[in-house]
Amino acid sequence: SQTIHQWPATLVQPVGSPLSLECTVEGTSNPNLYWYRQAAGRGLQLLFYSIGIDQISSEVPQNLSASRPQDRQFILSSKKLLLSDSGFYLCAWSVTGGATYNSPLHFGNGTRLTVT
Amino acid sequence: AQSVAQPEDQVNVAEGNPLTVKCTYSVSGNPYLFWYVQYPNRGLQFLLKYITGDNLVKGSYGFEAEFNKSQTSFHLKKPSALVSDSALYFCAVRDIGFQKLVFGTGTRLLVSP
Repeated sequence: SQTIHQWPATLVQPVGSPLSLECTVEGTSNPNLYWYRQAAGRGLQLLFYSIGIDQISSEVPQNLSASRPQDRQFILSSKKLLLSDSGFYLCAWSVTGGATYNSPLHFGNGTRLTVT
Repeated sequence: AQSVAQPEDQVNVAEGNPLTVKCTYSVSGNPYLFWYVQYPNRGLQFLLKYITGDNLVKGSYGFEAEFNKSQTSFHLKKPSALVSDSALYFCAVRDIGFQKLVFGTGTRLLVSP
């Protein structure tokens, strides 16, 4: 069965420090991968999605970046964190190819980031 | 662009009573609709989906959803609510390119004992 791992679960970082959040998926190949941010416990904002290695789309201009160094690994980074980067970051995956329209997203348990 | 709307910020229901969480959609083409639940400090869990076929879709934990094309709605239902159903519920729709899910703003369900 497929599983998705996200770490760390919680993180407290000072303003101006770098960030690296990691997400890995097991049990599937060539998944679509996603980074979402949830602010104030409500709405979900899509930050990045990737349909393959080195194929990453950015949805919102910001000081965050994403990379996919391996097929099932998705990393969210920042060189210098802002206070507004605080939030709950969620990684997700779905199947790719012809079944994409039919496939739900499967989410990790998230990382709670607090920028101080 | 594809979109979904969840008109209620919060729904309150007593345990044992039926519950409904509302969702309406706006799409070009066929709607591919999903419901998710989120418990505090956790990721979203997939409940059910509508792709085509029967208008009543059954999902996890006793939840079901009714697809209504004429009203462009996809309401989440459960015949008898449990206190443990208290959580945040999201409706979502596949975007035109099928690569992304567009989420509603979420509805908080509070089930009182």
